[in-house]
Amino acid sequence: EVQLLESGGGLVQPGGSLRLSCAASGFTFSSYAMGWVRQAPGKGLEWVSGLSGSGSSAYYADSVKGRFTISRDNSKNTLYLQMNSLRAEDTAVYYCAKVNRYTIEDFDYWGQGTLVTVSS
Amino acid sequence: QLVLTQSPSASASLGTSVKLTCTLSSGHSSYAIAWHQQQPEKGPRYLMKLKSDGSHSKGDGIPDRFSGSSSGAERYLTISSLQSEDEADYYCQTWGTDIAVFGGGTQLTVL
Repeated sequence: EVQLLESGGGLVQPGGSLRLSCAASGFTFSSYAMGWVRQAPGKGLEWVSGLSGSGSSAYYADSVKGRFTISRDNSKNTLYLQMNSLRAEDTAVYYCAKVNRYTIEDFDYWGQGTLVTVSS
Repeated sequence: QLVLTQSPSASASLGTSVKLTCTLSSGHSSYAIAWHQQQPEKGPRYLMKLKSDGSHSKGDGIPDRFSGSSSGAERYLTISSLQSEDEADYYCQTWGTDIAVFGGGTQLTVL
C-alpha cells in the first residue's frame, strides 16, 4: 500500500524558513518523480515543485522559484521541501504527491497534508 | 501558456449522472490530463488519467461509476448513479516538460 506522510509544518514569521519532509513507503521510491502541491485556505490546488526520480531534474512554479528547494534522499525514501523567505501568501496546506512516472505527469497518490502558516 | 479551465460549480440529484468539463488552452488539445477528487476536509484523491483519444486508466479502488471521455480540447469526467459521498471538489491536472498545472476546480453538489 502506498503511503505518503508529510511533516514539518507549523507557524513561522514572514521572512523565515521551514523544511517539510515526506516519508514514502509501499513503492520503489527512486523509480518515480515526486511533487509538492499546496492549497491556501478556501482556495484550489496549486502545483509548487516537482523532482525526477533520480533527483537530477527539479522544477518550480514561478511563485516559489528562488525561494524553495526540492530534494530527495532515495536511501531514506524521503522527499523534502526547503522553504526560505516565506511570505504570508505561502500560507497553505502542503501536500506531497507521487507521480505516475519517472518525470512529471499525473499525481497518482497523495499525502494527508501539513499546514504551514506564515504570520507575525 | 498551459491553462486548464473548469466551471466553478455543478449540481445534480442523487442517483442521476453528471458530466464535469475541463478545457485545455489553445494549442494544447492533445494533452492528457488527470482528474482528482477532494472531499470536504480531506486530501485529494486520484481518480484517473485521461488521454486525448478518450482512453483512461483509473486509480486504485475507483468505482466503475467514474468514467472519462474527450472531445477536442475538452476533457470530461462523468459520474453516474450519484451518491452523497460524491459531493466534493473535482480538479483536473495536466503537465508539460517542466511544469504541472491544475484547473480551478469544480464544486459538485449532490441534491
